[in-house]
Amino acid sequence: QQQVKQSPQSLIVQKGGISIINCAYENTAFDYFPWYQQFPGKGPALLIAIRPDVSEKKEGRFTISFNKSAKQFSLHIMDSQPGDSATYFCAASLKTSYDKVIFGPGTSLSVIP
Amino acid sequence: DAGVTQSPTHLIKTRGQHVTLRCSPISGHKSVSWYQQVLGQGPQFIFQYYEKEERGRGNFPDRFSARQFPNYSSELNVNALLLGDSALYLCASSLGRLGADTQYFGPGTRLTVL
Repeated sequence: QQQVKQSPQSLIVQKGGISIINCAYENTAFDYFPWYQQFPGKGPALLIAIRPDVSEKKEGRFTISFNKSAKQFSLHIMDSQPGDSATYFCAASLKTSYDKVIFGPGTSLSVIP
Repeated sequence: DAGVTQSPTHLIKTRGQHVTLRCSPISGHKSVSWYQQVLGQGPQFIFQYYEKEERGRGNFPDRFSARQFPNYSSELNVNALLLGDSALYLCASSLGRLGADTQYFGPGTRLTVL
């Protein structure tokens, strides 16, 4: 019940294209859904986050879509750039324990020129 | 402002040894959490400490222990190292208040067990 599933495992997108990463969860008590970006040799960095009372959140080129009934959420990266090449993790946490973050397995994104 | 800092950056140990990893949180942050990230996987939660008390523990054996000091820095200790303990160990800090949800991660300590 604590698991967060993520797909695809890897993704190759051309520069200017849209990158889409999908995630699903089981525990309906999850209250906070962050996305992290990780570059090689670095720790994860918070990219964007959403709560289940909102269906969509946009920050610049990054948009989270959230479907509470389906227990699914996704990250869209518009106008993908080579600098976006990194590993992306969706995650979830409980309201009572925001610091205990359950991570998905990650998606390795490569944006090619 | 300095971010979360961790030391050492890299560490090589042999099976059966013990290791101590250190973390300094962002100034003003009272919560520190530890994660283990095996190559090719997402980070796995190990511990959370807030105001020097353990607030959460993940599914890790008793060989793993941690503590938080009065200045909110933290240590993660691993005893009787196994090959499977080879991983990137991440420390994250946050304000720790209820409703304060953003964690900031350090660069990690890369532990290799031979």
